[in-house]
Amino acid sequence: GEDVEQSLFLSVREGDSSVINCTYTDSSSTYLYWYKQEPGAGLQLLTYIFSNMDMKQDQRLTVLLNKKDKHLSLRIADTQTGDSAIYFCAERGDTDKLIFGTGTRLQVFP
Amino acid sequence: KAGVTQTPRYLIKTRGQQVTLSCSPISGHRSVSWYQQTPGQGLQFLFEYFSETQRNKGNFPGRFSGRQFSNSRSEMNVSTLELGDSALYLCASSLGSGTYNEQFFGPGTRLTVL
Repeated sequence: GEDVEQSLFLSVREGDSSVINCTYTDSSSTYLYWYKQEPGAGLQLLTYIFSNMDMKQDQRLTVLLNKKDKHLSLRIADTQTGDSAIYFCAERGDTDKLIFGTGTRLQVFP
Repeated sequence: KAGVTQTPRYLIKTRGQQVTLSCSPISGHRSVSWYQQTPGQGLQFLFEYFSETQRNKGNFPGRFSGRQFSNSRSEMNVSTLELGDSALYLCASSLGSGTYNEQFFGPGTRLTVL
């Protein structure tokens, strides 16, 4: 079945890079996504990557995809306190359902 | 352009009652999906509606139902509420249905069942 796993917590110092990792099991995934959820808010789409790509860069965000290992990562450069939030990876495969990971709580300290 | 709106934002109900949540998609969007978010189970897909038809369904009991109107607004209903139904219910809209359509999420309705 479809399963998406993430580590629960990540703590980084302001100005450092953050790397959030995700593993998935559905080899038919066509799109993989990263969402951000701030307290009391819904989900905000940060970026996505198509399964035939291995890297995508969007300003401070870099997504790396290792399709062989079914591993996805999100790197945030120059992490700021405003980046503190929960980050979810999600994949959509041939069922067309959006399957979310467990979420990683990123805490940025000064 | 207005975003996805959900009403009410907060709701308190007791066990055995039923509840209806509403979602208004972004103007022009025809697909609405619903998700349940709980600390224990995370984010789980409930169902998706497109052009007033249920297109996809998650693994939830029949107490959870939904519908979509001709203006694309959607409602979801939960009957015979249980304590475990306490959750944040998120609605997302997209232009069309399927993999290639980006979903935009609303702020959610927080349901507490006592």
